[in-house]
Amino acid sequence: VQLVQSGAELKKPGESLRISCRASGYIFPSYWITWVRQMPGKGLEWMGSIDPSDSYAIYSPSFQGHVTISTDRSTNTAYLQWTSLRTSDSGIFYCARADGNSFDPWGQGTLVTVSP
Amino acid sequence: QSALTQPASVSGSPGQSITISCTGTSNDIGSYNYVSWYQQHPDKAPKLLIFDVSSRPSGVSHRFSGSKSGNTASLTVSGLQAEDEANYHCVSYTSITLPVLFGGGTTLTVL
Repeated sequence: VQLVQSGAELKKPGESLRISCRASGYIFPSYWITWVRQMPGKGLEWMGSIDPSDSYAIYSPSFQGHVTISTDRSTNTAYLQWTSLRTSDSGIFYCARADGNSFDPWGQGTLVTVSP
Repeated sequence: QSALTQPASVSGSPGQSITISCTGTSNDIGSYNYVSWYQQHPDKAPKLLIFDVSSRPSGVSHRFSGSKSGNTASLTVSGLQAEDEANYHCVSYTSITLPVLFGGGTTLTVL
């Protein structure tokens, strides 16, 4: 079971971005995928989760309306998307498979830097 | 909803035991046996250590154990080793509309 995320991104404020998380080694629609943010030197924050079987997504109020989580079952891939980045969106973003009420495994993380 | 409360740092000497607390409320930790713990080494992804309060995934050392009392969950690391030096994060299920709540993380230093 493995989650492999897309590479680091350097973007400007106002730009759009989609990062990915490709799953392998298990039946993709059978487990929710969760996205977590970690800002530099800080703890982990739950952003939202998605059920790949029907693309139902639930978001943290802190991120609702600012990001979109989606999946593509044909490629076993989950996505985290912004339409208009802010400098405060900089951080490391992890995807993780939800197994019951815990998260295992995690992707390796994607560093997003938003700078003018 | 506020994050779960963890101490910012704990420390111990090799061979000793330490305990990291994770305090929530009756709406999260106090109501559900769905607390999990994660170990995160610098510049690495988190790794699952404990799920459902006290269960260990296969491959995780028996030196790691979890428990819960009331609104507080705890992670105990026994027989401290240098490789245990890392950040530790707790997570609890809260509700169907806001299902995931993280703690602020605790840095474990092995002296």
